[in-house]
Amino acid sequence: DGGITQSPKYLFRKEGQNVTLSCEQNLNHDAMYWYRQDPGQGLRLIYYSQIVNDFQKGDIAEGYSVSREKKESFPLTVTSAQKNPTAFYLCASSLDRGNTEAFFGQGTRLTVV
Amino acid sequence: GQQVMQIPQYQHVQEGEDFTTYCNSSTTLSNIQWYKQRPGGHPVFLIQLVKSGEVKKQKRLTFQFGEAKKNSSLHITATQTTDVGTYFCTFMGGGADGLTFGKGTHLIIQP
Repeated sequence: DGGITQSPKYLFRKEGQNVTLSCEQNLNHDAMYWYRQDPGQGLRLIYYSQIVNDFQKGDIAEGYSVSREKKESFPLTVTSAQKNPTAFYLCASSLDRGNTEAFFGQGTRLTVV
Repeated sequence: GQQVMQIPQYQHVQEGEDFTTYCNSSTTLSNIQWYKQRPGGHPVFLIQLVKSGEVKKQKRLTFQFGEAKKNSSLHITATQTTDVGTYFCTFMGGGADGLTFGKGTHLIIQP
């Protein structure tokens, strides 16, 4: 089945630890995105990538890092510098940048204690 | 950066009533997309509008893009409990030039 997969669904980490969220797609999409969603809120863009080995900061990139070494994969690292990391993280991909529909993964709910 | 305002933020309706959410921008948009997110779920694409004045229908849902391409609306006729969720408009652009989402309209339906 084609799609976009995020893992794990739930993640718990201690404060001060870095954590990496996985996002894999087999849709052959060029563009990939990471969003953060807080309870009752909208989606805020963390990072996006239009092509392999290239990525751009979104509106709230501080405390996060990404890589795009393969077309299929766009992992997000939540670093200890992120002051409020507990949130729902959504990864998405689209064929190109903004002119086609975006497909979302199931999301990862990160809780930092 | 470029932003869109969605109104209302919350809407309570009785089942069977109509519902409308609006998406407004201060600048012209090249296109606009609408997504629906069920409680606990992830956003799912509904439609994309590109042309000025465009109107598209999907069963009970009607989508409009304004003549000036600065606003859009989603209208649901005779809401059902399956319509519960948050409806987002999105557009390409914004300060970071990524896919920018509005804050969404939360639709709550009372049986």
